[in-house]
Amino acid sequence: AQSVTQLDSQVPVFEEAPVELRCNYSSSVSVYLFWYVQYPNQGLQLLLKYLSGSTLVKGINGFEAEFNKSQTSFHLRKPSVHISDTAEYFCAVSGPSFGATNKLIFGTGTLLAVQP
Amino acid sequence: DAGVIQSPRHEVTEMGQEVTLRCKPISGHNSLFWYRQTMMRGLELLIYFNNNVPIDDSGMPEDRFSAKMPNASFSTLKIQPSEPRDSAVYFCASSGQGALYGANVLTFGAGSRLTVL
Repeated sequence: AQSVTQLDSQVPVFEEAPVELRCNYSSSVSVYLFWYVQYPNQGLQLLLKYLSGSTLVKGINGFEAEFNKSQTSFHLRKPSVHISDTAEYFCAVSGPSFGATNKLIFGTGTLLAVQP
Repeated sequence: DAGVIQSPRHEVTEMGQEVTLRCKPISGHNSLFWYRQTMMRGLELLIYFNNNVPIDDSGMPEDRFSAKMPNASFSTLKIQPSEPRDSAVYFCASSGQGALYGANVLTFGAGSRLTVL
């Protein structure tokens, strides 16, 4: 079974500052890792995903994440945030046979609050 | 594609009433998931289907909840009778297999906000 932990429930940051949202996972098998974003009153939208290959993954809106197997982490970063990045961010993990035999498990979310 | 379509977007009902939430997945996707989101418990997976067959319903809270997927383009989540603690946003999501359909990626609907008085 897999699990994911987002240690920070809320991250306040000033506009144009860099940000890192932390995500740690646990699993006894290889994993797929995801970051989703949820804007107010909307569904979740995929930011980026790691399935295999390069450990540095680039996503939409200037976000990137790095898979660190030894640290069991998948932290999300952006070098310069905008007011429009204010949203809830969810880290998620699944096993390698996603869909047929596994399911996507979400963390508790981190609210990114960008201040002017 | 119009994406995952959920209805109704908002539902307000009284305790004891039956509630039916509907979902139309993306055409060609063969996996469908129902999630519930609350402030207290975050995002919880209720049930998921693969090729219209329920694979894992261990997240369904109790017998008052039931879900069906009669065909590849439609699913329902029913609560009968509803209780105030069922108030939440219910999301439907779908996923395909293979590179063409974005394997391993969930596409979410906009959600159905349920309020049980």
